[in-house]
Amino acid sequence: EDKVVQSPLSLVVHEGDTVTLNCSYEVTNFRSLLWYKQEKKAPTFLFMLTSSGIEKKSGRLSSILDKKELFSILNITATQTGDSAIYLCAVERNSGGSNYKLTFGKGTLLTVNP
Amino acid sequence: SQTIHQWPATLVQPVGSPLSLECTVEGTSNPNLYWYRQAAGRGLQLLFYSVGIGQISSEVPQNLSASRPQDRQFILSSKKLLLSDSGFYLCAWGQGAEQFFGPGTRLTVL
Repeated sequence: EDKVVQSPLSLVVHEGDTVTLNCSYEVTNFRSLLWYKQEKKAPTFLFMLTSSGIEKKSGRLSSILDKKELFSILNITATQTGDSAIYLCAVERNSGGSNYKLTFGKGTLLTVNP
Repeated sequence: SQTIHQWPATLVQPVGSPLSLECTVEGTSNPNLYWYRQAAGRGLQLLFYSVGIGQISSEVPQNLSASRPQDRQFILSSKKLLLSDSGFYLCAWGQGAEQFFGPGTRLTVL
């Protein structure tokens, strides 16, 4: 059974702090790892990572994957109150054909206080 | 651009009543469609996925069923709701690994 473990489960920081969110996984036939941000309703896509050691960056957010150690981190620098959300990590198994099934972790609840 | 709609946004139903949640996608054709449930304090659990009209795969045994009567329509149903069916139901579409989520339906079964 595929497994995704995120840590910490929750985190409270002050504006301007830098945070690192962790995601470790066990999956047969790994294909990719995805990060999502969930505010009040629908998760929104942040990054998809397929190769080790290549950092993906979008503004103050960045993420990197280590396929040897089976984990990924999501960094947020200079946090703002608008970064408060649940951050979800998901892994995709290569099950062949056009089936793209994701297994999600429980998420990290990030609260950024002013 | 693609958009995904879900309704209703919230629903309160008694135990034993039927359920029908609808999801439609615009701006794309032949998408993969997914139903997830998110219980409080937990991640997203994949319930069903579909790669085409009439093609449904179930991920976990449960009290729910899904149907895809049209290319961009995905329906989640139950004949008799249980208390444990309460949760936040999310529909998603994708044509690769990236999945894009609808606004969700918050279901409370009393």
